Amino acid sequence: KAGVTQTPRYLIKTRGQQVTLSCSPISGHRSVSWYQQTPGQGLQFLFEYFSETQRNKGNFPGRFSGRQFSNSRSEMNVSTLELGDSALYLCASSQQGGGGGEQYFGPGTRLTVT
Amino acid sequence: AQSVTQLDSQVPVFEEAPVELRCNYSSSVSVYLFWYVQYPNQGLQLLLKYLSGSTLVKGINGFEAEFNKSQTSFHLRKPSVHISDTAEYFCAVSDRGGSNYKLTFGKGTLLTVNP
Repeated sequence: KAGVTQTPRYLIKTRGQQVTLSCSPISGHRSVSWYQQTPGQGLQFLFEYFSETQRNKGNFPGRFSGRQFSNSRSEMNVSTLELGDSALYLCASSQQGGGGGEQYFGPGTRLTVT
Repeated sequence: AQSVTQLDSQVPVFEEAPVELRCNYSSSVSVYLFWYVQYPNQGLQLLLKYLSGSTLVKGINGFEAEFNKSQTSFHLRKPSVHISDTAEYFCAVSDRGGSNYKLTFGKGTLLTVNP
C-alpha cells in the first residue's frame, strides 16, 4: 500500500503570495490532518478533515484554510504569506480519525517564505 | 486544554547504552498517549501507543513505554540503543472522547547515539 504523499516537497515563496499544498492519504483513509512544524513552536495542529468536512481546527489565523475532496485528497492553502509561515507542513491520514486511531504521516512540504 | 512536556531537549548516549526519554502531560480529560520518531527530512513514524490495558507498552525497534497515571508520565525506554536510533522523538496525546481529533505534541527530544 502506498504511503501518504505530499506535493510539492519543497517550495519557495515571497511574502504576500499565496500557496497551495497537496496531500494524498493512504488508500481507504478518510481522515486527513495537517500540522505545522517549526523550530520555535514545534508541531502544531492546523485542522482535520473527514469525508470532506472540517471536524476540528487549531489556533491559526484565517489565512490558513483547507479542503478535502471526495477521493479524500486534501489541500491546504495559505494566503498573504508571512515570513513566520516558513515551516515544514505535515499531513497525516487515518482510517476514521478519532483520538486513538493511528495517524500515518507524509514526508512533509518544506515551505520557505522570503 | 492539553499540554505535553518533554523534559530533555537533547539526550546524547553511547551505542549499546540504555536510554530513557521523559514525557509528562497535563489534561483535564482522559487521553491516549503516543510516541513518534522523526528521522532527518522525513515525516513522523509511530513507535508505540497507549490506549488502555497494560501500562507497559511495547513498540517497534525495541522501544517500550510505561504509562503512569498518578505521575501523568509516559516515559520511553530502550535497553540498548544503536547508531540508527539517532533521531528526534515526540511524545503526543489526544482526547479519549468527544470530537477533538487532534494530536498535541511535546517539543521533541533529539536522541544522538555516539559510537
